[in-house]
Parts: sequence; C-alpha cells; structure tokens
Amino acid sequence: NAGVTQTPKFRVLKTGQSMTLLCAQDMNHEYMYWYRQDPGMGLRLIHYSVGEGTTAKGEVPDGYNVSRLKKQNFLLGLESAAPSQTSVYFCASSYSGDSHSYEQYFGPGTRLTVT
Amino acid sequence: SQKIEQNSEALNIQEGKTATLTCNYTNYSPAYLQWYRQDPGRGPVFLLLIRENEKEKRKERLKVTFDTTLKQSLFHITASQPADSATYLCALGNRDDKIIFGKGTRLHILP
Repeated sequence: NAGVTQTPKFRVLKTGQSMTLLCAQDMNHEYMYWYRQDPGMGLRLIHYSVGEGTTAKGEVPDGYNVSRLKKQNFLLGLESAAPSQTSVYFCASSYSGDSHSYEQYFGPGTRLTVT
Repeated sequence: SQKIEQNSEALNIQEGKTATLTCNYTNYSPAYLQWYRQDPGRGPVFLLLIRENEKEKRKERLKVTFDTTLKQSLFHITASQPADSATYLCALGNRDDKIIFGKGTRLHILP
C-alpha cells in the first residue's frame, strides 16, 4: 500500500496564478483532510470531507476550494494564489466511527511558495 | 476560543532519561487526545490515543496520561534514544470528525 500520496512535492507560483494539489489514498478511508503548516502556527485545518461528494470548511478555508469526486482522491485548489498561502500543505485520511482510533494518516506534504 | 498549549521551547534530554512533554488545553471538552510524531520534512505519524474516560495508556516505551480535570496530558518517553528526537504534536478531538493540533514541542535527545 502506498498510503497517502501528494502531488506535487514542491511548487513555486506567482501571485494570481492558480493550481491544484492532489491527494490520493489507497486505504479505503472515508474521511480526508487538508491542512497547512506554518512556522509557529502548527497544523491548521483548511477543508475536510467525510465521504465521496461531501466537503466542509475547516479553520482557515478562505482562498481555497476542494472537491471529492472519488473516494480515494481529495483535491485542493488555489484559484488566485497569494504570498500568504506560502506554506507546507498536508493531506490526511482516516477511518470513520468510534470503533477506530481516529488515527489520521498523513501524506509527505507539498511545499508551496507564492512569490 | 479553543486553545491547545505545548512547550514552545525545545526540550533537551540526556539519552537514557525519561522525556516528559506537556499538552494543556482550554475551552474544550475532548472525547479523546492523540499524540503524533513529526520528523523534519515529513508528515506527522500517529503514536497513541487516549480517551476521556482513560487515565493512562502505554505502548512500548511511551506512556500518555490524561487528566480532564486539569485539562492536561503528559507524554513520556522512557529510556530515551537519539532516534526519539523529533517534534511531538498533541491533538484533541470529539466525535465531529475534526481534530485540532497543538503547535508541537521539539525534543532533542542528547547522546
């Protein structure tokens, strides 16, 4: 199993450009998450999904959109990138329900720089 | 608002000693608490979960305590090794599908 994979690993964008980050998981998890991690700020939830076709806002959703058209994929879009979106982006997935440990499985991250 | 606090300063511990990390929280009543390990340039990795009705949990050299009255969790690594050097994240959750993370504590085990 590959677990959680993220594409791309690195990207540099100019202000105003758009891009999509792709997250894929092969564990048949219901839940998927997008976080950003900035120095001194910790991990902050951007958007999440509790199943195919559903998405919800997290703590810092502004400037981002997401889609979960297939259960195994969760896409994060930046329509018009801003320097404030320079960050490391992590995708995670987890099982659902109280019978599990709520353990989140993280991808390796995407380092995005917006100039 | 909900707040999680972890030691912002790095923690230096001599090899072989017990490392103890602290996680305090306010304005929150979590159903469970988790600890993750994060190495530089990598995603966090789950270590342990402890539920609100549990006082202590152990896994090999790791021990977690959870005091819902004090709103605090302690994370212990016994017989610490240089390979235990990493950033450790505390996370709190309820049954609403989301968890919130602390900023993490950097741990250095000195040989």
